[in-house]
Amino acid sequence: GAVVSQHPSWVICKSGTSVKIECRSLDFQATTMFWYRQFPKQSLMLMATSNEGSKATYEQGVEKDKFLINHASLTLSTLTVTSAHPEDSSFYICSARDRRPNTDTQYFGPGTRLTVL
Amino acid sequence: KQEVTQIPAALSVPEGENLVLNCSFTDSAIYNLQWFRQDPGKGLTSLLLIQSSQREQTSGRLNASLDKSSGRSTLYIAASQPGDSATYLCAVNDYKLSFGAGTTVTVRA
Repeated sequence: GAVVSQHPSWVICKSGTSVKIECRSLDFQATTMFWYRQFPKQSLMLMATSNEGSKATYEQGVEKDKFLINHASLTLSTLTVTSAHPEDSSFYICSARDRRPNTDTQYFGPGTRLTVL
Repeated sequence: KQEVTQIPAALSVPEGENLVLNCSFTDSAIYNLQWFRQDPGKGLTSLLLIQSSQREQTSGRLNASLDKSSGRSTLYIAASQPGDSATYLCAVNDYKLSFGAGTTVTVRA
């Protein structure tokens, strides 16, 4: 089956530093990847849609200069949290859309736990 | 904007009892609906995906129904086990996935 990986699985950083999270589709090409954020005991909230070779589309209320998204290849998207602050601490999950014929399914990564001290 | 609601928010049952989890959505123009399981601190595990043209999907003890016209889906889990304890999320795909807040299930041994 389709597998999506995320790296790192968890990260702790100091306030003011930047953190990069990678999302990879391991056995399929993903022209579109999605980044979600989940606060404790809450559901997933879509942050942005990342299309290979073009700029990401951000949801309302998400700061594009703070959450930099790059989708440079058909198997890799990165999310960089710039100048992280404690309120950015959250669980970040990516998904990749499989666009092979007869499929249109999103496959989810295992998530990255970010803690900003 | 698609709104997805899951009722109840939490559910506690004794082992062996059947579980019924409800999901409702406001815009019926969807491609598919998906049920996920999430264990504490973990990612999502896909359980069932129902295409908009389908009425139900089954996998083992799990059965999910979809009534697109009324904007409802129900996940049934038969003969619950303690290992079924988790949060169950439904997500509606109308090009983007919109998630409900989830139902947290506890199955008591």
